[in-house]
Amino acid sequence: KAGVTQTPRYLIKTRGQQVTLSCSPISGHRSVSWYQQTPGQGLQFLFEYFSETQRNKGNFPGRFSGRQFSNSRSEMNVSTLELGDSALYLCASSLVPGEDYGYTFGSGTRLTVV
Amino acid sequence: DQQVKQNSPSLSVQEGRISILNCDYTNSMFDYFLWYKKYPAEGPTFLISISSIKDKNEDGRFTVFLNKSAKHLSLHIVPSQPGDSAVYFCAASAIQGGKLIFGQGTELSVKP
Repeated sequence: KAGVTQTPRYLIKTRGQQVTLSCSPISGHRSVSWYQQTPGQGLQFLFEYFSETQRNKGNFPGRFSGRQFSNSRSEMNVSTLELGDSALYLCASSLVPGEDYGYTFGSGTRLTVV
Repeated sequence: DQQVKQNSPSLSVQEGRISILNCDYTNSMFDYFLWYKKYPAEGPTFLISISSIKDKNEDGRFTVFLNKSAKHLSLHIVPSQPGDSAVYFCAASAIQGGKLIFGQGTELSVKP
């Protein structure tokens, strides 16, 4: 079966712009989580959605937002981009939040802010 | 506030020997722990998990040990193989189904 699909794979944006990243979970999965990976910081939790509702939110400024659609696809948006937002953004899905075998991750979107 | 810490950013091991990756946590509410492996240009993949009611879980060459009193877990890989070379992340959640909190990762290099 198809895995978690994230688009685009790579993105270059200018400071002050906004960006939207997309995540299509595994078919049938209803839970989607987003993480930011930067060197030395590991994976920082952004937010988690289940059945179109945000269940959890990490400690990120309001410039970071997300949503989930009725088909479980999710988008995250970052407004007023800063250089420090350059990172690998990972999306993970599961049937329901926190299955025994954990989440399945996509390959990520590499965002570079210049 | 780093609730899950992997203090060794890198580890180098000879093929065939044991690899031991360590992870410490501070939140006593964590009761479910996982290890993920990540290759470059790919997302992390689930490796093995353990709940707080156990102190050991084994899956083939991979064993995870949990010491709740020390708030410490470790991943043992025996024997190590060159294909094991990757970044390993430990993660924890307060309840099974809660958000996962990840460590910073340890880059393992297994040399032939």
